[in-house]
Amino acid sequence: GAGVSQSPRYKVAKRGQDVALRCDPISGHVSLFWYQQALGQGPEFLTYFQNEAQLDKSGLPSDRFFAERPEGSVSTLKIQRTQQEDSAVYLCASSLDGAGGNYNEQFFGPGTRLTVL
Amino acid sequence: RKEVEQDPGPFNVPEGATVAFNCTYSNSASQSFFWYRQDCRKEPKLLMSVYSSGNEDGRFTAQLNRASQYISLLIRDSKLSDSATYLCVVNTGFQKLVFGTGTRLLVSP
Repeated sequence: GAGVSQSPRYKVAKRGQDVALRCDPISGHVSLFWYQQALGQGPEFLTYFQNEAQLDKSGLPSDRFFAERPEGSVSTLKIQRTQQEDSAVYLCASSLDGAGGNYNEQFFGPGTRLTVL
Repeated sequence: RKEVEQDPGPFNVPEGATVAFNCTYSNSASQSFFWYRQDCRKEPKLLMSVYSSGNEDGRFTAQLNRASQYISLLIRDSKLSDSATYLCVVNTGFQKLVFGTGTRLLVSP
């Protein structure tokens, strides 16, 4: 079956531009996560949705970062006024159900590699 | 101090060798523990969960020591295809995963 898909796979932006990154989770998965992975580092948590509700956005590095999942399926991560330090791979993951705090395996998409010049 | 700490390596080993990775975590309230594998320019994929009783999956053995807040992964009879970055991952509750920086393994012929 189809896994998590992300688009675009690569994005080059000039400093100061706004970008929007899209994530299509596995069909039927309730929970959706965004992570940021800088070169040579492990992924770092940005934000988490359960259906359309954004339950945790503690990892968003600044108010230039905004995520939404209006219909509880596709999600968009938007970065306004991009800076060079935003250059990273942005990974999206989904899991079946996050209810009750029980852990369900998170399946990752291929990521969007963002380069800010 | 990072929440999850790992030796970044690289670990260079010959085929057939046994190699062990370790990681420590700082949040004593952490609830579940994992090893993920990440190939170059690919997404992380779950390798195995880690339990206090220890668990084994073929050539891979994982162990958790809650008292020491220490997690290990042992790979026996290394294959060329085991070359990858191994990420130590902790679930601190409510789905959020915390990743270590990863340990890079290079298996050579």
